[in-house]
Amino acid sequence: AQKVTQAQTEISVVEKEDVTLDCVYETRDTTYYLFWYKQPPSGELVFLIRRNSFDEQNEISGRYSWNFQKSTSSFNFTITASQVVDSAVYFCALRRVNKFYFGSGTKLNVKP
Amino acid sequence: DGGITQSPKYLFRKEGQNVTLSCEQNLNHDAMYWYRQDPGQGLRLIYYSQIVNDFQKGDIAEGYSVSREKKESFPLTVTSAQKNPTAFYLCASSQGMDTNTGELFFGEGSRLTVL
Repeated sequence: AQKVTQAQTEISVVEKEDVTLDCVYETRDTTYYLFWYKQPPSGELVFLIRRNSFDEQNEISGRYSWNFQKSTSSFNFTITASQVVDSAVYFCALRRVNKFYFGSGTKLNVKP
Repeated sequence: DGGITQSPKYLFRKEGQNVTLSCEQNLNHDAMYWYRQDPGQGLRLIYYSQIVNDFQKGDIAEGYSVSREKKESFPLTVTSAQKNPTAFYLCASSQGMDTNTGELFFGEGSRLTVL
């Protein structure tokens, strides 16, 4: 069975702090894809990154970086120098064939 | 611009009424999905469709129905059998059966409130 766990329900930081959002997944598949989405207050989910199970290279995009470790089944997301605009709910997801499995989300509050 | 259009954005329904939420995409995606999101919770899959005229139940299909008569359209009907329909509904699409790589593209959502 597939499962995605985001243990952090809500995190509050002050602007310019770094913050890491945790994601742990379960799957018996050898080929799978992991995703992060951002859901701002408007409601629409915005795609941030996709990572396949064969590529464990970390990725950096501006202030965002992702750490994928198969050994611990984790795909963590770090925001460096957080900004108020980063306030949102962030979801981690696992894709297997045509089904996506979402974690319960982490609400990030960035205070000025 | 390519994307997913959901309507209406807000909908109020009396108990015992069926309502239909519209979802249209112009991304030429084969697969389409409906998710339900309750306050403070994650996304739960209601139905998904991989090709026209075919769809499968997700984890919480009871009280819902769908159709997929056209590739671009995947409407969701919330029936009176759905015990607690007040929620935020998200439609999404992705590249379909032959690929296992694509991300989901989401619409802006429809917020249904039962009075």
